[in-house]
Amino acid sequence: EAGVAQSPRYKIIEKRQSVAFWCNPISGHATLYWYQQILGQGPKLLIQFQNNGVVDDSQLPKDRFSAERLKGVDSTLKIQPAKLEDSAVYLCASCPVRGYNEQFFGPGTRLTVL
Amino acid sequence: AQSVTQLDSQVPVFEEAPVELRCNYSSSVSVYLFWYVQYPNQGLQLLLKYLSGSTLVKGINGFEAEFNKSQTSFHLRKPSVHISDTAEYFCAVGHNTNAGKSTFGDGTTLTVKP
Repeated sequence: EAGVAQSPRYKIIEKRQSVAFWCNPISGHATLYWYQQILGQGPKLLIQFQNNGVVDDSQLPKDRFSAERLKGVDSTLKIQPAKLEDSAVYLCASCPVRGYNEQFFGPGTRLTVL
Repeated sequence: AQSVTQLDSQVPVFEEAPVELRCNYSSSVSVYLFWYVQYPNQGLQLLLKYLSGSTLVKGINGFEAEFNKSQTSFHLRKPSVHISDTAEYFCAVGHNTNAGKSTFGDGTTLTVKP
């Protein structure tokens, strides 16, 4: 079974530029999460989708971050414009249903904002 | 609200020695508890999880953890570590109706020396 796929793996941009990350969850997984992991810290939830609907985006900085999962499968996370403090690893995770007791993580995208 | 405290940011240990990585949590509701491992430039991989039942949980790669409700702890142990166990370890607490919305600790770096 293929795991969670993410691309790109690495991205370097300058502040005020835009960037987008892509995630393809495990086939059949209805729930998808985006986490931000700043160096030296644990992952922090940004947004949670159930199929193509947003369940929780309370921690998403909506003035610059946006995310979508239009067809309930793959998802895109965008930052526009980026700030220096957005430098982090962005992790995508999925699980079969919302109440499932385990998440499956992708390899992450490491973003460096100069 | 949930929170997780990993009491040691770095744990150096010699190969074949035992190790304990400490985790305390706080939550006002029943929880799921997790330990994840993260190797360099990779996503998080589940080591083990406590949902209910026996307080001693066995996971992959010879790791185990003990849930102690009175002390609100979930410490991770391995009786004999290998060089390949060198990685970042994260403790997490998940709500029992939405385990994916997990709160992570800031991680413990385990370094196994020859």
